Amino acid sequence: LAKTTQPISMDSYEGQEVNITCSHNNIATNDYITWYQQFPSQGPRFIIQGYKTKVTNEVASLFIPADRKSSTLSLPRVSLSDTAVYYCLVVNTGTASKLTFGTGTRLQVTL
Amino acid sequence: DTAVSQTPKYLVTQMGNDKSIKCEQNLGHDTMYWYKQDSKKFLKIMFSYNNKELIINETVPNRFSPKSPDKAHLNLHINSLELGDSAVYFCASSQLVAGGGTDTQYFGPGTRLTVL
Repeated sequence: LAKTTQPISMDSYEGQEVNITCSHNNIATNDYITWYQQFPSQGPRFIIQGYKTKVTNEVASLFIPADRKSSTLSLPRVSLSDTAVYYCLVVNTGTASKLTFGTGTRLQVTL
Repeated sequence: DTAVSQTPKYLVTQMGNDKSIKCEQNLGHDTMYWYKQDSKKFLKIMFSYNNKELIINETVPNRFSPKSPDKAHLNLHINSLELGDSAVYFCASSQLVAGGGTDTQYFGPGTRLTVL
């Protein structure tokens, strides 16, 4: 399984763009890069998933370079409610995805 | 409508007791999971069932026994509870995406188990 490395914590002010980078040097051909968000006392919630280049949805953007050894989750104009732990996962295609969560990045947004 | 629900939300019990946590999903998914999140916030998969059949079984003590009466339910029974079993247990479900990509997992609210 591809191991991921991401910063333990980040701080941001409300209204700023936040970029969280994740490294996954031994990502395999069939692996997808997936990000989950977890608020305190809640289960993780899917944010975005991508294979290469750029993916954007209503919540975030995901930038993946050509070598796919890293990825960057971009949260535009964060608010206080974006304070959470963000997990970067490398997930293999298959009948059931065995999600391997790392330590995640704890994002703290303040006024 | 709650997509993935778990009961109870909190469970406090003595060492040595046997307890069960129930999980139900109304998303029509074929696959369900149990995860354990310990005090250090590491989230690890324990089991996965697809259409009532066990497909993922990580290195978990055999005191933990999942049971899936139908594909909408996956219950977790724990025998002879130990102090180290204290954690938050999350149930999740997913549906395989055809044509590539991976399935998105939907998590329940968690059950905080405290063993005294």
